[in-house]
Amino acid sequence: GEDVEQSLFLSVREGDSSVINCTYTDSSSTYLYWYKQEPGAGLQLLTYIFSNMDMKQDQRLTVLLNKKDKHLSLRIADTQTGDSAIYFCAEGSDFGNEKLTFGTGTRLTIIP
Amino acid sequence: DTGVSQNPRHKITKRGQNVTFRCDPISEHNRLYWYRQTLGQGPEFLTYFQNEAQLEKSRLLSDRFSAERPKGSFSTLEIQRTEQGDSAMYLCASSLQGSPYEQYFGPGTRLTVT
Repeated sequence: GEDVEQSLFLSVREGDSSVINCTYTDSSSTYLYWYKQEPGAGLQLLTYIFSNMDMKQDQRLTVLLNKKDKHLSLRIADTQTGDSAIYFCAEGSDFGNEKLTFGTGTRLTIIP
Repeated sequence: DTGVSQNPRHKITKRGQNVTFRCDPISEHNRLYWYRQTLGQGPEFLTYFQNEAQLEKSRLLSDRFSAERPKGSFSTLEIQRTEQGDSAMYLCASSLQGSPYEQYFGPGTRLTVT
């Protein structure tokens, strides 16, 4: 079955880069997504990557995908206090079932 | 259109009561999803609609749960005979049909069953 795993916590100093890691098991995953959740709020779609790509960059965000190892990472450059949140990776399939399977989330704390 | 909206934002109910939540998707989106999120966990898929058709239901969705999307626009999720284990955040998302299925989430309805 599908399973997505993430480390629970990450602390980073303001201005440094944050790297949030995720592993998944479903080899049929077509898209992999990163969502951000701030306290009391819903999930905000940050970025996604198609499974035949190995990198995608979007402003301060860089997504790296190692399909062989089923490993996904999100790098946030120049981390700011506003980046404090829980970050979820999720996998989706393109085979008629578009549900997302989420990890447990990584809580990113910024140290001033 | 400002995004996916959900009502109410919070609901406190006593065990055994029925509750109903509403989700209004982004207007041009024909797909609508329901997820449930418990404390410290990621969202778990419950069900999804394409227009008015309910295409998949998770095994998490017991017989006490029912979802509808009668005209292919807003959706309702009803829980009958609520149990304390139903306490969670219920999230709605919508997307356009077709890859990459970017799902946009609403703020959620937090249910507390006492």
